Amino acid sequence: DVKVTQSSRYLVKRTGEKVFLECVQDMDHENMFWYRQDPGLGLRLIYFSYDVKMKEKGDIPEGYSVSREKKERFSLILESASTNQTSMYLCASRELRDSKDNEQFFGPGTRLTVL
Amino acid sequence: SQQGEEDPQALSIQEGENATMNCSYKTSINNLQWYRQNSGRGLVHLILIRSNEREKHSGRLRVTLDTSKKSSSLLITASRAADTASYFCATVWKGAQKLVFGQGTRLTINP
Repeated sequence: DVKVTQSSRYLVKRTGEKVFLECVQDMDHENMFWYRQDPGLGLRLIYFSYDVKMKEKGDIPEGYSVSREKKERFSLILESASTNQTSMYLCASRELRDSKDNEQFFGPGTRLTVL
Repeated sequence: SQQGEEDPQALSIQEGENATMNCSYKTSINNLQWYRQNSGRGLVHLILIRSNEREKHSGRLRVTLDTSKKSSSLLITASRAADTASYFCATVWKGAQKLVFGQGTRLTINP
């Protein structure tokens, strides 16, 4: 079974702090994704990565950056956390760059609260 | 909004009844996928239907796709308490590789 793990289930940070959210997948998937989920807004794509050291902006990249130094790990960075970044953050991975048919496998999520 | 719309937003039925959820989207797609999310957890993939397919089954799940109406439905037959969750449709647009999610239907199965 594909396993996608996220470093924390719950995280509380203060405004202005630099925050790292880590995601690791164990199935050698090329593609990885970061979403945030908010009530009434559904899931919105922040950033995604086709492969190591590659990244693409999603729909709401402002205030975020990402790092993909190793294939299995995709990190989301909040350079200076703000209260409007309080949300559930979901990481996902998918096999094969050119396959549009493949499902995404999700991690359990990190609920981040910024005070 | 680029996202699709799901209908209803919330659905509450008795155990054993069938549950139907609908999804509409706005552009041409390669495929449409349905996911389930248990409270406060990650999403789990349920079923994928390609743009050239009209109906697909998986266990108690039945998905239909009408590309002329840009809509899909998910039917869960003989519902169980464990089916209580939020259900999301997601589309892969032609020419794109990302999933676009709807806002979800919250399904509650009452014992």
